[in-house]
Amino acid sequence: DAGVTQSPTHLIKTRGQHVTLRCSPISGHKSVSWYQQVLGQGPQFIFQYYEKEERGRGNFPDRFSARQFPNYSSELNVNALLLGDSALYLCASSLEDRFYGYTFGSGTRLTVV
Amino acid sequence: AQSVTQPDIHITVSEGASLELRCNYSYGATPYLFWYVQSPGQGLQLLLKYFSGDTLVQGIKGFEAEFKRSQSSFNLRKPSVHWSDAAEYFCAVGATTGTASKLTFGTGTRLQVTL
Repeated sequence: DAGVTQSPTHLIKTRGQHVTLRCSPISGHKSVSWYQQVLGQGPQFIFQYYEKEERGRGNFPDRFSARQFPNYSSELNVNALLLGDSALYLCASSLEDRFYGYTFGSGTRLTVV
Repeated sequence: AQSVTQPDIHITVSEGASLELRCNYSYGATPYLFWYVQSPGQGLQLLLKYFSGDTLVQGIKGFEAEFKRSQSSFNLRKPSVHWSDAAEYFCAVGATTGTASKLTFGTGTRLQVTL
């Protein structure tokens, strides 16, 4: 079975640009959560979506947005990129709207220059 | 709000030696606790989790962890470390606030294994 798929794996953007990161959950999983992992830190919660509805948002500015599609895949969008947005962005999927059965993807490494 | 402290940023052990990684948490109710491992450039793999019941939890790859409520700790142990265990280890506490269900992670402990 395919795991959680994230794309792209790496990308480089310039300050002020916009970026879209994508996540395909495990088949049958209805919840997708996004985490940001800055180098040397633990992951930090950004968003949780369940059944296409936003269930929660972490302490991130409005430049960060996300959505979940009818097939349960998800996009994370970041506008007006800052150097501090450089990080590994992780997607986790689960069957239900709880963290019990998280499966993480390998992440997207975003570098802002 | 919940929080997790991993006091050791970096630990070096010899292959075959025992290992203990420390984790302290802060959470008002009964915690849901996790240990994850991350290899360079990779995502997170779940080693084990504690929800309730037996305070000694067995996980994959020969790891175990013990929940001690009185010390607010959930330390990870392995009797004999293998070179392939070198990685970053994260302790996390799960909580539901309103409709949001999320994990709060510690800053991680980097394990180096010498041969």
